[in-house]
Amino acid sequence: EVLMTQSPGTLSVSPGERATLSCRASQSVSSNLAWYQQKPGQAPRLLIYGASARATGVPARFSGSGSGTEFTLTISSLQPEDFAVYYCQQYDKWPPITFGQGTRLEIK
Amino acid sequence: EVVLLESGGGLVQPGGSLRLSCVASGFTFGNYAMTWVRQAPGKGLEWVSPINGDGRDTFYADSVKGRFTISRDNSKNTLYLQMNSLRAEDTAVYYCAKDVRYVPGYYFDHWGQGVLVTVSS
Repeated sequence: EVLMTQSPGTLSVSPGERATLSCRASQSVSSNLAWYQQKPGQAPRLLIYGASARATGVPARFSGSGSGTEFTLTISSLQPEDFAVYYCQQYDKWPPITFGQGTRLEIK
Repeated sequence: EVVLLESGGGLVQPGGSLRLSCVASGFTFGNYAMTWVRQAPGKGLEWVSPINGDGRDTFYADSVKGRFTISRDNSKNTLYLQMNSLRAEDTAVYYCAKDVRYVPGYYFDHWGQGVLVTVSS
């Protein structure tokens, strides 16, 4: 099973600033990595797939990078609606598909 | 517009059973794999079980293998999860999620709103 580890657990950033979230895989997952955003009481929303491709309707301020075992989600200029929990998910080696434990992005 | 609507959750005693349903609309249901993902209260996401487009191929997380059964009825655009021998640790919001391909093992581009299953005496 591929273990996905996200850091930090909580990130405090001011609106307008840049946020950088990390995700590490316990073994290479190539570029088979997705990112999701989840707001309280809501279902997850797909943001990024293939490590760097934005899903339909996702603003350009969201970008993904990385391959192998190290991945990054960057939000270039935080908007109030971006404060949420973010999960990474690998789909390279399955079953099982595995998710990271999440990074909570909060307003500083 | 893709819509996934789960139902069937509720309170059940340990050892009991529930069947979840997920009615899909806005896409050709039989052309896509579907997956159940769950989230325990205050916790992260856990992959539970996917099924391919024609329902012939299914997979399960070790934590539910032998107790849960996924199925689908493409004539009704509906996904199911039969949950037997429920345990307290199965307490979670259960989401149905649409895979991006006919076969599972990728990512999920649409999710339902979730249904809460509580296992408690």
